[in-house]
Amino acid sequence: EAGVTQFPSHSVIEKGQTVTLRCDPISGHDNLYWYRRVMGKEIKFLLHFVKESKQDESGMPNNRFLAERTGGTYSTLKVQPAELEDSGVYFCASSQDSAANNSPLHFGNGTRLTVT
Amino acid sequence: SQQGEEDPQALSIQEGENATMNCSYKTSINNLQWYRQNSGRGLVHLILIRSNEREKHSGRLRVTLDTSKKSSSLLITASRAADTASYFCATVDISGNTPLVFGKGTRLSVIA
Repeated sequence: EAGVTQFPSHSVIEKGQTVTLRCDPISGHDNLYWYRRVMGKEIKFLLHFVKESKQDESGMPNNRFLAERTGGTYSTLKVQPAELEDSGVYFCASSQDSAANNSPLHFGNGTRLTVT
Repeated sequence: SQQGEEDPQALSIQEGENATMNCSYKTSINNLQWYRQNSGRGLVHLILIRSNEREKHSGRLRVTLDTSKKSSSLLITASRAADTASYFCATVDISGNTPLVFGKGTRLSVIA
């Protein structure tokens, strides 16, 4: 089966610009997650979709971040306007069932975002 | 925070040696998972151990869980250069209402 794919793999933008990250989960996986790792720090949860609904968005840092999953398939994460502290690697993951139900997460290779 | 904390932060060993990484967490958990990340790649799931389990094996990997001490260990036996990666533990709170929470990871270097 195809894995989780993320696009782009790298993005360099200037402060104040907008960037949209895309994630295609494994086909049939209802659960989709976004995580972020800032250099040298822990991998932090951003939000969790179940199909097209936001199950948990407690990790979204502020209203400059907008995640969507229209139709319950692929997801986008838009940062507008980007700030310097948004730099990091953004990971998307999917799972058949939730992590709470002992389902492992399958991760994409991440998008490395650099805001200058 | 129930965030897992891995120890040590970095570990360097010779090929063929065993590598042990530890993880401590703060709250009661539903399950604990270990992941590996190779540089520039995504995280790969290694093992999931449930709160009522004490030990699990998968190939050269052995994971233990001590819920009384809120700790887990990952042992890689007969390490290989290809095991060089960062290793993360992640926990799910017993309530099941929180997301999978990761620690900062242990950077393992296996020298050939």
